[in-house]
Amino acid sequence: NSKVIQTPRYLVKGQGQKAKMRCIPEKGHPVVFWYQQNKNNEFKFLINFQNQEVLQQIDMTEKRFSAECPSNSPCSLEIQSSEAGDSALYLCASSLFRNNQAPLFGEGTRLSVL
Amino acid sequence: GQQVQQSPASLVLQEGENAELQCNFSTSLNSMQWFYQRPEGSLVSLFYNPSGTKQSGRLTSTTVIKERRSSLHISSSQITDSGTYLCAMVTNYGNEKITFGAGTKLTIKP
Repeated sequence: NSKVIQTPRYLVKGQGQKAKMRCIPEKGHPVVFWYQQNKNNEFKFLINFQNQEVLQQIDMTEKRFSAECPSNSPCSLEIQSSEAGDSALYLCASSLFRNNQAPLFGEGTRLSVL
Repeated sequence: GQQVQQSPASLVLQEGENAELQCNFSTSLNSMQWFYQRPEGSLVSLFYNPSGTKQSGRLTSTTVIKERRSSLHISSSQITDSGTYLCAMVTNYGNEKITFGAGTKLTIKP
């Protein structure tokens, strides 16, 4: 059973609509990642946080996505204006930031943009 | 260039045969993580292996840091082993990062 909880499991949006997904990291994990797995099964790093602060993000995330990890609330990833190419599996992971501890992944949110 | 190269891209075996999956990485890493990806997309972590060999049932993971490679061995494969296996390189040099391989699609035939 995954200790990283992602909701919803499935999300269907029309082009131009907002799409928002949430992630509750494992308790005590300060680092949270978001990844996108596209239809070619390629993983793309989107953004990561450490204790609510953004560590790194890619250009696409800066421009069309908004993400946050507030304290005492779920982390979220929101696409401001969905495009067909955003249809993908979005995976959230959290980590203790220690070399001997494996990151934990959620089950993902599968977004379909019609 | 691609930091994690996974091979083969696909592998078809008869039930009972052994499967060997490989990952080569181009930079230093802290650990290699192996996953099985379910058809609906969720990831099952199989091994988190910084170095050496780890075994769990019919699965064995071996990571050789100096040679920049990691392998996943499945012995006496079963039909239920079919699916996609992913390796991911975990680095932690001030900013933890996970870099995935392209995956191996394993098909076990009866």
